[in-house]
Amino acid sequence: GNSVTQMEGPVTLSEEAFLTINCTYTATGYPSLFWYVQYPGEGLQLLLKATKADDKGSNKGFEATYRKETTSFHLEKGSVQVSDSAVYFCALSEGGTSGSRLTFGEGTQLTVNP
Amino acid sequence: NAGVTQTPKFQVLKTGQSMTLQCAQDMNHNSMYWYRQDPGMGLRLIYYSASEGTTDKGEVPNGYNVSRLNKREFSLRLESAAPSQTSVYFCASSGGQGRSYNSPLHFGNGTRLTVT
Repeated sequence: GNSVTQMEGPVTLSEEAFLTINCTYTATGYPSLFWYVQYPGEGLQLLLKATKADDKGSNKGFEATYRKETTSFHLEKGSVQVSDSAVYFCALSEGGTSGSRLTFGEGTQLTVNP
Repeated sequence: NAGVTQTPKFQVLKTGQSMTLQCAQDMNHNSMYWYRQDPGMGLRLIYYSASEGTTDKGEVPNGYNVSRLNKREFSLRLESAAPSQTSVYFCASSGGQGRSYNSPLHFGNGTRLTVT
């Protein structure tokens, strides 16, 4: 079946540091890929997505490129802020007739210190 | 905009008690989902409803039942709670239907359930 593996956390960075959170996936078909973010006490929010190979999703300074050859969708940001402290989830969608069912990675806790 | 609303926010149950978690969305979405979130395990799908009148099991359905009451509401019931069901439960909805599997999920703020 489908699966998503994220780098182990937690990750602690200083403000303005470069961020990479690794994500690799296993899928039988051609999934869409997503990054969701969860701020403390809240539900998950969509951060960005990519629907086909070589697509780049971007939002709020975050970027991720759908790499089919390495089955990866790593999240990057050039200069993190304290407000980026949250849990980040990589996910893929299952195609077919089931709407937007998602398979999630385990999540990576990011803490940014001033 | 309310989006996805879950009640209650917190609940403590004793083993064997029952309860229903409520979820409603006001975005006219076709699909609704229940996930549970446990430390180190991400989110796992319990049940989903691809459209009004249909429900299907997800990855971890045992011990749960669901009802898609109408297009807006999707409830999750624990008939006999167990400590293993201590978790944070999230309801979500999406506008995706059929093969439109790129539609993003919109999540509620979660229900934190403790079973003692």
